[in-house]
Amino acid sequence: AQSVAQPEDQVNVAEGNPLTVKCTYSVSGNPYLFWYVQYPNRGLQFLLKYITGDNLVKGSYGFEAEFNKSQTSFHLKKPSALVSDSALYFCAPHPFGNTGKLIFGQGTTLQVKP
Amino acid sequence: GAGVSQTPSNKVTEKGKYVELRCDPISGHTALYWYRQSLGQGPEFLIYFQGTGAADDSGLPNDRFFAVRPEGSVSTLKIQRTERGDSAVYLCASSLTRIDEQYFGPGTRLTVT
Repeated sequence: AQSVAQPEDQVNVAEGNPLTVKCTYSVSGNPYLFWYVQYPNRGLQFLLKYITGDNLVKGSYGFEAEFNKSQTSFHLKKPSALVSDSALYFCAPHPFGNTGKLIFGQGTTLQVKP
Repeated sequence: GAGVSQTPSNKVTEKGKYVELRCDPISGHTALYWYRQSLGQGPEFLIYFQGTGAADDSGLPNDRFFAVRPEGSVSTLKIQRTERGDSAVYLCASSLTRIDEQYFGPGTRLTVT
């Protein structure tokens, strides 16, 4: 079965500190990898994606993610957190093949304290 | 430009009733998806349309659920004989192609009483 693991339900960081939100996946083939963010009372928003090439990809709002094929991980990072980054973050592999579906984990709540 | 829109935003229905949920994707997006998100969970895939056809309906939980996209634009998710377990937020998303990022609508919150 294909799955995504976000091992931390919640990550707490102080504003200005670096943050990491972890994601590992078990998906056949070489999936495309996505991160989405969900703010309260707002829809899911695309942050960034990895298709191929450089293992470090940059996305919206200063976020970046590091792909590690051997560890099947795709951790989300940001050098300096903002209070406004507080939200629910989802890692979502896209299995290679004819389907368009994303497989979502349970999400990680990021809490950035001033 | 206009994003993905979904109507209604909220729907309360009685157990056993039929409901229809509508999704209006971003213009020009050929791929359209339905997901279901229960409280405290990530979205769960239901069905993917490429144009007018359902290319992957492997996520539909049973035959009470059905979706159409007759003209390759607007889609309707139909649920027959609703059950309390169907209560969730139903999300629609669209993308240019199946490998591009998906843009999500605000969702329809379905409550079955």
